Amino acid sequence: GAVVSQHPSRVICKSGTSVKIECRSLDFQATTMFWYRQFPKQSLMLMATSNEGSKATYEQGVEKDKFLINHASLTLSTLTVTSAHPEDSSFYICSVRGRLGNYGYTFGSGTRLTVV
Amino acid sequence: GENVEQHPSTLSVQEGDSAVIKCTYSDSASNYFPWYKQELGKRPQLIIDIRSNVGEKKDQRIAVTLNKTAKHFSLHITETQPEDSAVYFCAASDSGNTPLVFGKGTRLSVIA
Repeated sequence: GAVVSQHPSRVICKSGTSVKIECRSLDFQATTMFWYRQFPKQSLMLMATSNEGSKATYEQGVEKDKFLINHASLTLSTLTVTSAHPEDSSFYICSVRGRLGNYGYTFGSGTRLTVV
Repeated sequence: GENVEQHPSTLSVQEGDSAVIKCTYSDSASNYFPWYKQELGKRPQLIIDIRSNVGEKKDQRIAVTLNKTAKHFSLHITETQPEDSAVYFCAASDSGNTPLVFGKGTRLSVIA
């Protein structure tokens, strides 16, 4: 299956600052990546679908101006949380789907964001 | 869009007993149904998956059944062990480059 690297694994930032999270597909070209957010004791909720070379598709209720997604290459998608607030503290995780014909999904290791 | 319901939200079983977690989905186009185990602060770990062209799949103590007509699928864990304690998520997707939709999760506790 695909190999996905996500960085950083943990980040603490001050309220009002921005944080960038990177998701890299290491062994194949991912035209699409998915970004999820998981609050404590809750499920993984899809935030947006990142498309290489075009704008991301955001789920209802997710502010596109706050959660900036850039998918400039076939191996890298970034999620930037702008003007972070304590309520943005969460576990952010990216995912890619395997090559055509492979139904499986691979997840990054996740990023624990804490906004203080 | 797809909606996945998962029950129960919590489940406690005695060590050695079986555990069953059930999910339903809404989109008849969905044809891939994975189950994940997630430990605190970690990424979801795939434990078993099933595609819509089969009704049942088994891997040692873990099995998944799928009823496409009723749009539900279930996870069965036999001979549970304390290390099976975790949060389990079901999910569904179709065959395109589309995201997984997750159920709300089941917190399984295996009591020694």
